[in-house]
Amino acid sequence: RKEVEQDPGPFNVPEGATVAFNCTYSNSASQSFFWYRQDCRKEPKLLMSVYSSGNEDGRFTAQLNRASQYISLLIRDSKLSDSATYLCVVNKGGISNFGNEKLTFGTGTRLTIIP
Amino acid sequence: DAGVTQSPTHLIKTRGQQVTLRCSPKSGHDTVSWYQQALGQGPQFIFQYYEEEERQRGNFPDRFSGHQFPNYSSELNVNALLLGDSALYLCASSLVEGVYGYTFGSGTRLTVV
Repeated sequence: RKEVEQDPGPFNVPEGATVAFNCTYSNSASQSFFWYRQDCRKEPKLLMSVYSSGNEDGRFTAQLNRASQYISLLIRDSKLSDSATYLCVVNKGGISNFGNEKLTFGTGTRLTIIP
Repeated sequence: DAGVTQSPTHLIKTRGQQVTLRCSPKSGHDTVSWYQQALGQGPQFIFQYYEEEERQRGNFPDRFSGHQFPNYSSELNVNALLLGDSALYLCASSLVEGVYGYTFGSGTRLTVV
């Protein structure tokens, strides 16, 4: 079983729609969680961190369910510029540990917003 | 404030050759991690350097080695290149304390022929 599993897609979604991505992770010792965005042939860029309480940044909402080891990302009112690959990322390290440990990436979910 | 810089941006090598990739971390960052991203896959962790020492390593053979210099910059060396080593190699820098996310460089695209 992969440490971080995502549906690779592709998701083809009309502009203005709401789209949701899900991700599961296998290591219950994981302490920090992120969504990264990667444009074609570019480096991954941090989209947002994910907290148990849920967090929102504009049109983006991330949620973590530790009991189910499940992470989600919701994009509302999708824009053409949201087309990218979205990577679910898990880190065993946490503030209580010795800092940043290795990031474990899912394979990414490819999203295309259709005009 | 410069982000993470990597060089070269593209590289073509022949099977069996050796390659060295370079990374300068974001200003103020002290930890450098290297990742390999094959086409259609997520990045895979190679190793991480802090205080000029390898802190942890992923499932990569000994052909992959690295170094961190006193100014926190880093090199990734790959010996005896295989066709399967063709990938985007990403360097990411971070602070050892706290969890504030990583900053990635734009990567070196290595093609082995």
